[in-house]
Amino acid sequence: GQQVMQIPQYQHVQEGEDFTTYCNSSTTLSNIQWYKQRPGGHPVFLIQLVKSGEVKKQKRLTFQFGEAKKNSSLHITATQTTDVGTYFCAGPTGGGGSQGNLIFGKGTKLSVKP
Amino acid sequence: NAGVTQTPKFQVLKTGQSMTLQCAQDMNHNSMYWYRQDPGMGLRLIYYSASEGTTDKGEVPNGYNVSRLNKREFSLRLESAAPSQTSVYFCASSRTYRDSYSPLHFGNGTRLTVT
Repeated sequence: GQQVMQIPQYQHVQEGEDFTTYCNSSTTLSNIQWYKQRPGGHPVFLIQLVKSGEVKKQKRLTFQFGEAKKNSSLHITATQTTDVGTYFCAGPTGGGGSQGNLIFGKGTKLSVKP
Repeated sequence: NAGVTQTPKFQVLKTGQSMTLQCAQDMNHNSMYWYRQDPGMGLRLIYYSASEGTTDKGEVPNGYNVSRLNKREFSLRLESAAPSQTSVYFCASSRTYRDSYSPLHFGNGTRLTVT
């Protein structure tokens, strides 16, 4: 079945270093969503990418959607302790732009050392 | 504006006991979902309700039942709890199942331990 894989599983960085997590789907996605879960918290929606090659920025966070719409990345510039948490990508199983059921990657857990 | 509210926040059950997890949303969303989260496994869909009056199985439905009570409420029932159901359960809602621009809004979760 369809799979969404994320790497790395864990990432430990020094505050101020950059961080990147990668998401790869076994099938073409109509869109991809990114969520952040703080320790002990619940997932919170960050952004959605829809177009091939799309790049979106939110302050120090840069999200990219691959040209083939099968992969995506999240890059954080100059990490801060507030960036700590697990970052999940998720893609719909349905084709043709429908939501379908979201398949979540297993997440990348980011820790930041002050 | 409460968003998605789940109760209880914590629960300990003995094997074989039953319980119902409650979820309510006040965003007038059409679609609701139940996920479980286990270490290293990410979020897995148990059941979902695309719209009021409908429910469907997700990836891991065995051992669970659901009820879409009305547009606001979606409950998850464990009829005979097993240790394998020890997990964190999240309820979520979205404006519509059939819309690419419809992110999930999650509740705060229920931490369930089955001994």
